[in-house]
Amino acid sequence: GQNIDQPTEMTATEGAIVQINCTYQTSGFNGLFWYQQHAGEAPTFLSYNVLDGLEEKGRFSSFLSRSKGYSYLLLKELQMKDSASYLCAVRDSNYQLIWGAGTKLIIKP
Amino acid sequence: IAGITQAPTSQILAAGRRMTLRCTQDMRHNAMYWYRQDLGLGLRLIHYSNTAGTTGKGEVPDGYSVSRANTDDFPLTLASAVPSQTSVYFCASSESVNQPQHFGDGTRLSIL
Repeated sequence: GQNIDQPTEMTATEGAIVQINCTYQTSGFNGLFWYQQHAGEAPTFLSYNVLDGLEEKGRFSSFLSRSKGYSYLLLKELQMKDSASYLCAVRDSNYQLIWGAGTKLIIKP
Repeated sequence: IAGITQAPTSQILAAGRRMTLRCTQDMRHNAMYWYRQDLGLGLRLIHYSNTAGTTGKGEVPDGYSVSRANTDDFPLTLASAVPSQTSVYFCASSESVNQPQHFGDGTRLSIL
């Protein structure tokens, strides 16, 4: 079957760095996405990786290793507004997204 | 502002009733999707449409139907609602199946 694993919840301190991991087993791979979802709101697109390596976008970076079925989202200089759930999704061989359950990130002052 | 509009925002519905959730996008995106989101689970695909006039079944299609008569609209119908369909429903669209998906604000549906 297809499976996306990510931690249920993480806590970090304002101004610090946090890494959210995602491992996957899917039927085929056509890219990995990270989305941010604030409570009660819609998911919003953060990043996309299709090749191995690091993609950087301001305070957010995403890494992919296809051979290990592994990705992480790195958030730097954490702000209170970064408190949200972070969703990992893999596009499979049918070009459909398979979603993880999300990691709830709690930022403390 | 361009984007995806879902209606209603929330709804309480008696079991056995028929309900249509509306989704409209003005970005001229080819692909559209319906997901449900339940606590502790990832988003699960109900139905999708890669282009106007075509639809396909996702992971959890039973009890739901869709149509895609034109590019902009992608309604989701519950023919006879059951309590297990209580969920938050998100409509999404993408320029093509290769592009990131953009989400509407969701419909919170409670079936009693």
